Amino acid sequence: EVSLVESGGGLVQRGGSLRLSCAASGFTFRNYWMSWVRQAPGKGLEWVAQIGPDGIERYSVDSVTGRFTISRDNARTSLYLQVSSLRAEDTALYYCARDLKRVGATTGSAWWYFDLWGRGTLVTVSS
Amino acid sequence: SYELTQPPSVSVSPGQTARITCSGDALPKKYAFWYQQKSGQAPVLVIYEDTNRPSGIPERFSGSSSGTMATLTISGAQVEDEADYYCYSTDISGNYRVFGGGTKLTVL
Repeated sequence: EVSLVESGGGLVQRGGSLRLSCAASGFTFRNYWMSWVRQAPGKGLEWVAQIGPDGIERYSVDSVTGRFTISRDNARTSLYLQVSSLRAEDTALYYCARDLKRVGATTGSAWWYFDLWGRGTLVTVSS
Repeated sequence: SYELTQPPSVSVSPGQTARITCSGDALPKKYAFWYQQKSGQAPVLVIYEDTNRPSGIPERFSGSSSGTMATLTISGAQVEDEADYYCYSTDISGNYRVFGGGTKLTVL
């Protein structure tokens, strides 16, 4: 059975750091793009960061660039998010998501969407 | 930045058809995707690439897109369909990956 299981969340002071982890199983992890998506309490979904299959290509939303670092270990089938310089607005449930890449047959252009999600790990930033 | 706009709430009676809209300037060129999130649970993909339904999603869920609006339709909505629904897409460059603000569907 395919699954993603996040861990590493917790209560941290403003300006602090955490390392979030996501353990993948049931699929060939090294073949897939992966992302982190977060959801502040009572709010909507926000894509945070994405990483390519070999870990070379990495992208993130502007609000976390320079503070959050996405990485992966294909041998351990694990995805990570190092979150630093935390702010109150970073308080959220952080989901790990498999990021499926599709390529248009005629245009050659690519798009991605999230086809598998974990249950999330909660990060709470206190002031 | 780029935004997708959804109505905050939609309410129907069991058995009626629920329609949830999502508007965005790039939707004529970019696919829309729909996620269902029940209370306290992770999101689940219910429609991908405007109109496609993943395996395991009931046939009553369908999607369409025309111009700058994508629509999720639940034909014969059931009580268990109560959830928040989010559309997802990108801006025309593909660089901004965004979700709509979410629509709370009430079936009662």
